[in-house]
Amino acid sequence: DIQLTQSPSFLSASVGDRVTITCRASQGISSYLAWYQQKPGKAPKLLIYAASTLQSGIPSRFSGSGSGTQFTLTISSLQPEDFATYYCQQLHSDPITFGQGTRLEIK
Amino acid sequence: EVQLLASGGGLVQPGGSLRLSCAASGFTFSNSPMSWVRQVPGKGLEWVSTITDSGASTYYADSVKGRFTISRDNPKNTLYLQMNNLRAEDTAIYYCARYYYVSGSSRYFDYWGQGTLVTASS
Repeated sequence: DIQLTQSPSFLSASVGDRVTITCRASQGISSYLAWYQQKPGKAPKLLIYAASTLQSGIPSRFSGSGSGTQFTLTISSLQPEDFATYYCQQLHSDPITFGQGTRLEIK
Repeated sequence: EVQLLASGGGLVQPGGSLRLSCAASGFTFSNSPMSWVRQVPGKGLEWVSTITDSGASTYYADSVKGRFTISRDNPKNTLYLQMNNLRAEDTAIYYCARYYYVSGSSRYFDYWGQGTLVTASS
């Protein structure tokens, strides 16, 4: 199975900050990586797919990059509604796996 | 508007069975692979199962293989998850999701249901 390791697991930041979350795959997954945002009591929401393509309706302050084994999610200027948990997901091969999550909290 | 409405969760004793349903609307269900993902409250996401658009092929996580069965009724726009021999560790919120899949191209879960809670406990 392909393991995804996110770092950090917990991040404290302020409104307006630029933050980066990293996702490392245990083997190459090309660009078959997606990022999701999840708020308490809600289903995950797709932000980025194919490592760097912004899903329709997602603000441009979100961006993704990477390929192979190293990927990043960047939020250029944090807004109050961005405080949530973020997950990466690989869809290169079965079983589909998720990273353990990064919890982003207000400093 | 796309909607995925999951139902069927509840309290069941270990060893018992439960069938989850996911009613889809707002997109062409019969052309869409579908998946189930679960989440222990307060923990991370775990992929459970995927079914192709026709239902001809199914895939399972090792943790549920042999106990869970994914199926679909395309004329009814409904996805199912039959869960047998439930264990305490199956306790989780179960989400249905559309799996957007184009061979050799993009793959992702673009639409998610609201989730239904399954509790396996005596």
